[in-house]
Amino acid sequence: SYELTQPPSVSVSPGQTARIPCSGDALPKKYVYWYQQKSGRAPVLVIYEDNKRPSGIPERFSGSTSGTTATLTIGGAQVEDKADYYCYSADSSGNPIFGGGTELTVL
Amino acid sequence: EMQLEESGGAVVQPGGSLRLSCIASGFNLDDYTVHWVRQAPGKGLEWVSLINSDDGKIYYADSVKGRFTISRDISKNSLYLQMDGLRTEDTALYYCARDGDSGYVLAYWGQGTLVTVSS
Repeated sequence: SYELTQPPSVSVSPGQTARIPCSGDALPKKYVYWYQQKSGRAPVLVIYEDNKRPSGIPERFSGSTSGTTATLTIGGAQVEDKADYYCYSADSSGNPIFGGGTELTVL
Repeated sequence: EMQLEESGGAVVQPGGSLRLSCIASGFNLDDYTVHWVRQAPGKGLEWVSLINSDDGKIYYADSVKGRFTISRDISKNSLYLQMDGLRTEDTALYYCARDGDSGYVLAYWGQGTLVTVSS
């Protein structure tokens, strides 16, 4: 079955750039979305359609794609960015799927 | 103010059934694609099902196909998930969520309702 692959964890110091990859064979033809989930809270959309930022999301959040890998970049990560991050896309048949999630530590 | 509020979560035995509800306020449910997404304790997000607002088509994850049924009642502005043949692996917090305008997918979420399948 189709999978979106993310590293389980990423760790950076405050002010550094955090990069979270998401890989999947169908990504060249499907949009990717990114969600931030803080402990005990519902997810929040932070990037849509590969690289667009919803209103209210800080400019330090950006998205990019290259081939079969999409990347969420947090430029100048802050302590409050500590959260789990999930990519979301679809397989070649259009069935939605989440990546396994990446825990971002900022300290 | 736009809101989604889930209810109906409970403890149920394996093989049992449960119906989750999600009441929408501040918008018309049939104007947007709506989803159920679940999260097992300590695990990641898993997409479960959706109703497409454009054509009314319904989609399910393979893990629930044939056991779960998504539906909506426009008169009550509510979304439902009928869950039959429940398994221990269905234990999770179930969220309803809706897409937004301008390409936003899963833009708005409720706070979830907990389903526990255990004997």
